[in-house]
Amino acid sequence: KAGVTQTPRYLIKTRGQQVTLSCSPISGHRSVSWYQQTPGQGLQFLFEYFSETQRNKGNFPGRFSGRQFSNSRSEMNVSTLELGDSALYLCASKPLGTLTDTQYFGPGTRLTVL
Amino acid sequence: KNEVEQSPQNLTAQEGEFITINCSYSVGISALHWLQQHPGGGIVSLFMLSSGKKKHGRLIATINIQEKHSSLHITASHPRDSAVYICAAENYGGSQGNLIFGKGTKLSVKP
Repeated sequence: KAGVTQTPRYLIKTRGQQVTLSCSPISGHRSVSWYQQTPGQGLQFLFEYFSETQRNKGNFPGRFSGRQFSNSRSEMNVSTLELGDSALYLCASKPLGTLTDTQYFGPGTRLTVL
Repeated sequence: KNEVEQSPQNLTAQEGEFITINCSYSVGISALHWLQQHPGGGIVSLFMLSSGKKKHGRLIATINIQEKHSSLHITASHPRDSAVYICAAENYGGSQGNLIFGKGTKLSVKP
C-alpha cells in the first residue's frame, strides 16, 4: 500500500499570499489530521477531518482552514501568509478515526514565507 | 508549563548503551504516543499505549497512568537510532485538539 503523500514537498511564498497544501491518505483511511511544526513551538495540532467533516480543531487563527473530499484527500489553506507561518506542515491518516488507531504521517510540506 | 514535558532535551550515547527517555503529562489522556522523527522531517509512529508496556524489537515503552508518566527505552542502542523522539498525549476533544506534543528528545548515538 502506498503511504501518505503530500504535495508539494517544498514551497516558497511571500507575506500576504495564500497557499494550499494537499494530502492523500493511505487508501481506505478516512481520518486526516494536519499538524504544524516549527523550531520554536514544536508540533502543534491544526485540525482533523473525518468523512468530509471537521471533527476537531486546534488553537490556530481563522486564516488556517481545511477541507476533505469524498475520496478522503484533504487540503489545507493558509490565507494572508505571515513570516511566522514558515513551518513544516504534516498530515497524518488513520483507518477509522477512532481513538485507538495509529496515525501514519506523510513526509510533510516545508513552507517558507519571505 | 507545557502539558507534555519530555526529558532530557538532548541525549548523547555510545553504541550499545541502554537509553531511557521520559515523558510526563498533566492532562487526561486516552492514549500516549511515541514518535520518531529522522532528519528531513519524516515521522514514524513507534507506539501507542494506554496502559502497561509494549515492546517492538529493541524498543520498549511503558506508561504509568496514576503517575501520568511514560518512558521509552532503547536497548543495545545503534547509530541508526539517532533521531528526535517525541511523545504525544492523545486528549480527544480537548482545547488543543487530539494530540498534544512534547518538545522532543534529540538522541545521538555514537559508534
